[in-house]
Amino acid sequence: GAVVSQHPSRVICKSGTSVKIECRSLDFQATTMFWYRQFPKKSLMLMATSNEGSKATYEQGVEKDKFLINHASLTLSTLTVTSAHPEDSSFYICSAEPSDRGKETQYFGPGTRLLVL
Amino acid sequence: AQSVTQPDIHITVSEGASLELRCNYSYGATPYLFWYVQSPGQGLQLLLKYFSGDTLVQGIKGFEAEFKRSQSSFNLRKPSVHWSDAAEYFCAVGVNDYKLSFGAGTTVTVRA
Repeated sequence: GAVVSQHPSRVICKSGTSVKIECRSLDFQATTMFWYRQFPKKSLMLMATSNEGSKATYEQGVEKDKFLINHASLTLSTLTVTSAHPEDSSFYICSAEPSDRGKETQYFGPGTRLLVL
Repeated sequence: AQSVTQPDIHITVSEGASLELRCNYSYGATPYLFWYVQSPGQGLQLLLKYFSGDTLVQGIKGFEAEFKRSQSSFNLRKPSVHWSDAAEYFCAVGVNDYKLSFGAGTTVTVRA
């Protein structure tokens, strides 16, 4: 089946630093990837839609300058949390939509746990 | 805007017993409906989805769900639960651009 990986699986950083999270589709190409944020015991919240070769589309209330998204290839999207603060600590999940299938198909990565001290 | 409600935060069920997880949605038209399962260290896995047609949908791992338009519900069921079914279950609604809105999730605990 289709596999999506995320790296790192967990990261601890100091407040004020930037952290990059990678999302890769391992065995398929993905024109579109999505980034979600999940709080403890809470639902997944869609942050942004990442489109290969173009700017990401951010959901209302998500700071685009805070959460930089780059989708430079059909198998890789990155989320950079800039000047991270403790309130950015969360579980970040990506999903990828295969380019050759219906838009309703998304495959999810295992998530990245970010802790900002 | 669409919304998804999963009324049960936590359900405990005995192994071999039946399981039903509730999901209600709010959306102006018929949405695309999904059930996902999340296990620790694993990505969300799609159990089943409904777009149109037969309102009783069969999924993987022995799960099924029924779309009831009159009740705006899409409840997930499994006749006999296995210990490996212990996980977090999410109902999700997709709209035209396939952005997903998720419910808050239901944690399923399976006791021996």
